[in-house]
Amino acid sequence: QVQLVQSGAEVKKPGASVKVSCKASGYTFTGYYMHWVRQAPGQGLEWMGRINPNSGGTNYAQKFQGRVTMTRDTSISTAYMELSRLRSDDTAVYYCARVTVAGTDYWGQGTLVTVSS
Amino acid sequence: EIVLTQSPGTLSLSPGERATLSCRASQSVSSSYLAWYQQKPGQAPRLLIYGASSRATGIPDRFSGSGSGTDFTLTISRLEPEDFAVYYCQQYGSSLTFGQGTRLEIK
Repeated sequence: QVQLVQSGAEVKKPGASVKVSCKASGYTFTGYYMHWVRQAPGQGLEWMGRINPNSGGTNYAQKFQGRVTMTRDTSISTAYMELSRLRSDDTAVYYCARVTVAGTDYWGQGTLVTVSS
Repeated sequence: EIVLTQSPGTLSLSPGERATLSCRASQSVSSSYLAWYQQKPGQAPRLLIYGASSRATGIPDRFSGSGSGTDFTLTISRLEPEDFAVYYCQQYGSSLTFGQGTRLEIK
């Protein structure tokens, strides 16, 4: 069965960076784009960007350009999202999600990133 | 950039009633790439409907989607206790855009 398993919760200080991993299993990792979506406490869903696991090509939301880097390691079927220069309003649950022509059909369990001094 | 606006913000209904949730786009959206999700506290979103009207695997037939162009609707024909949650519409493709959500609460 398809699974996306993310790394654990993180606590970071303002100005630091965080790197979240997303390990895929149960399907061909290089066959589907992986997207990253975040959700601040009590708020809605916000798209951050996507990576093509086959080519490594990325597209980022304008809001995060210059602060986000998405990478992948095909040998271990894992996608990564690194966010730098963290601020308190980056406190959120970060999700990886597989997107196909049939929607965002699988989501990771979410990784809580807390930014606090 | 497409903006999706959901209404109402909160919908208060009783089990057994019919729920109608709306999603309006700022410009025409391909029906092939309009989806609906359910989210419960502490959980990731769950895909309900894709392609505007196709139910995802395992989704009960009381959930249905319709619409085209700029106006889309999610209908829950007879609410079950487990249906009370937040619902999001989404435009998907090379990027993702979400509506702000509709909270469906028990009256």
